[in-house]
Amino acid sequence: DAGVIQSPRHEVTEMGQEVTLRCKPISGHNSLFWYRQTMMRGLELLIYFNNNVPIDDSGMPEDRFSAKMPNASFSTLKIQPSEPRDSAVYFCASALEGGAGTEAFFGQGTRLTVV
Amino acid sequence: AQTVTQSQPEMSVQEAETVTLSCTYDTSENNYYLFWYKQPPSRQMILVIRQEAYKQQNATENRFSVNFQKAAKSFSLKISDSQLGDTAMYFCAFMTPNTGNQFYFGTGTSLTVIP
Repeated sequence: DAGVIQSPRHEVTEMGQEVTLRCKPISGHNSLFWYRQTMMRGLELLIYFNNNVPIDDSGMPEDRFSAKMPNASFSTLKIQPSEPRDSAVYFCASALEGGAGTEAFFGQGTRLTVV
Repeated sequence: AQTVTQSQPEMSVQEAETVTLSCTYDTSENNYYLFWYKQPPSRQMILVIRQEAYKQQNATENRFSVNFQKAAKSFSLKISDSQLGDTAMYFCAFMTPNTGNQFYFGTGTSLTVIP
């Protein structure tokens, strides 16, 4: 397996524009996580899916953020409208629930810059 | 609530020396797993070592070992014979199946190995 695949690797956009980040989890994994990483706040869990269903979205900062998982092999994180304070690295991770202590496998992240 | 605390934002160690990174956590669960992840400048999150809470024996992985003190809720990482490639951010993480396999991360420790 190629691991967790995120696209794009880098995104630069203007304030007010819509941004969509994409994630393909590892085949067979049934848990998917979106994290945001900044210098100030470290790694923050934004939302967590299990079997394509959002389980905990309490980390989503505002209504401008939304996430979907239409099927087991694809998820999106959308920011609309984007703001400069959304600039961060966004990670997607997947895991297999039910595996004994299996780790979360991370994608390489998307570095988002909102100017 | 589950929390993970890393009290050392930055550390440095001389090449070939040993360094210990601290981590404490808080949970009321008995069944859980602990992890150390490494994030080098490449940004990729890499699993370093994993510990099952029900195992008394400390996990080891080559030059990496942990000191797991369950009663004290402490999970430190020891890196022996430090190498320049060990320079990275290190994140302590915690997961319990009873809360839906969510992963909780500490704020990280930035380790620099000095030649």
